Amino acid sequence: NAGVTQTPKFRVLKTGQSMTLLCAQDMNHEYMYWYRQDPGMGLRLIHYSVGEGTTAKGEVPDGYNVSRLKKQNFLLGLESAAPSQTSVYFCASSYGGGGGTYEQYFGPGTRLTVT
Amino acid sequence: TQLLEQSPQFLSIQEGENLTVYCNSSSVFSSLQWYRQEPGEGPVLLVTVVTGGEVKKLKRLTFQFGDARKDSSLHITAAQPGDTGLYLCAGAPTGNQFYFGTGTSLTVIP
Repeated sequence: NAGVTQTPKFRVLKTGQSMTLLCAQDMNHEYMYWYRQDPGMGLRLIHYSVGEGTTAKGEVPDGYNVSRLKKQNFLLGLESAAPSQTSVYFCASSYGGGGGTYEQYFGPGTRLTVT
Repeated sequence: TQLLEQSPQFLSIQEGENLTVYCNSSSVFSSLQWYRQEPGEGPVLLVTVVTGGEVKKLKRLTFQFGDARKDSSLHITAAQPGDTGLYLCAGAPTGNQFYFGTGTSLTVIP
């Protein structure tokens, strides 16, 4: 099993450009999450999904959109990149939500720089 | 202001020393998790605590959930260089929206 994979690993964008980050999991998990990690701020939830075809906003959703068309995939889109979106992005999945009792499995991260 | 505040933010100690990391909030959590993250990788779950006052031990690591379920601590006995990493607490006070702590970066010097 590959677990959680993320594509690409690194990307440099210019301000105003768009891109999509792909997350894939092979554990048949219902829940999937997108986080961003910035120095001194831990991880902050951008959007999450509790099942195929569903999405919900997290703590910092502005400037991002997501889609969960297939259970195993969760896409994060940036329509018009800004320097403030320079960060490391992590995708995670879990079997359930349960108010935080289920383990989240994380991908290796995508390092995005917006110039 | 973040929902989960961790202290200290940075910790550098000698091998063999003991240390405690704190995770505090003004909100009540049904459970809290602790993750460890190594450079260039995603976080990996260490433990989940679900009952107020609960203490869990994982080899040299001891985790405690506060009685009021608003805080947690991680104590490491006789730290080793392999304990080096970023320690993160996390929880979901309502529904499925997860919050992570600000993180504690631990360096254990041989």
